[in-house]
Amino acid sequence: GDSVTQTEGLVTLTEGLPVMLNCTYQSTYSPFLFWYVQHLNEAPKLLLKSFTDNKRPEHQGFHATLHKSSSSFHLQKSSAQLSDSALYYCALSLITGNTGKLIFGLGTTLQVQP
Amino acid sequence: EAAVTQSPRSKVAVTGGKVTLSCHQTNNHDYMYWYRQDTGHGLRLIHYSYVADSTEKGDIPDGYKASRPSQENFSLILELASLSQTAVYFCASRGQNTGQLYFGEGSKLTVL
Repeated sequence: GDSVTQTEGLVTLTEGLPVMLNCTYQSTYSPFLFWYVQHLNEAPKLLLKSFTDNKRPEHQGFHATLHKSSSSFHLQKSSAQLSDSALYYCALSLITGNTGKLIFGLGTTLQVQP
Repeated sequence: EAAVTQSPRSKVAVTGGKVTLSCHQTNNHDYMYWYRQDTGHGLRLIHYSYVADSTEKGDIPDGYKASRPSQENFSLILELASLSQTAVYFCASRGQNTGQLYFGEGSKLTVL
């Protein structure tokens, strides 16, 4: 079935270092991929969404590239900030069909230290 | 900005009691969802709906019922609350042709 895998449960790094959070997926169709970010005691909110024309989405210094050949949508940022500390979810959406479901990975907690 | 509001934001319930979590959206969205969040399990889909008066089972529907009386409102009902249902519950909505979810602020449920 369709699924999303985030291999790291916790990533800890020092401010200023690059960030890479892994996301791979399995899907029968060509899905849309998303990154959601959830800060402490807040609701998840959209960070990035894949484009159909293979453009690389960017927001708040984060970017992600959809690689269909490797079924990946890794989240990257060149320089981590303390405010980036949060829980990050990769998610997959099956727009085709009528299920309307969004499938989430287990999430990766990013802790940025001074 | 899309708006999804949940009530109550926090609730303590007794085992075996009935709990109703309510969700209201003003986005004019067709799809609404209830997710449960637990440490180590991420966000898991309980029930969802794509039209009023109809609901669908998600991935973990056991022990939960859902009701969608109108496009704006979507409730999650725990008829007999159990300790294992202690969690944070998120409601979300999305439009017809977009995969983006708009989440409410969450309802923290503690079952004692």
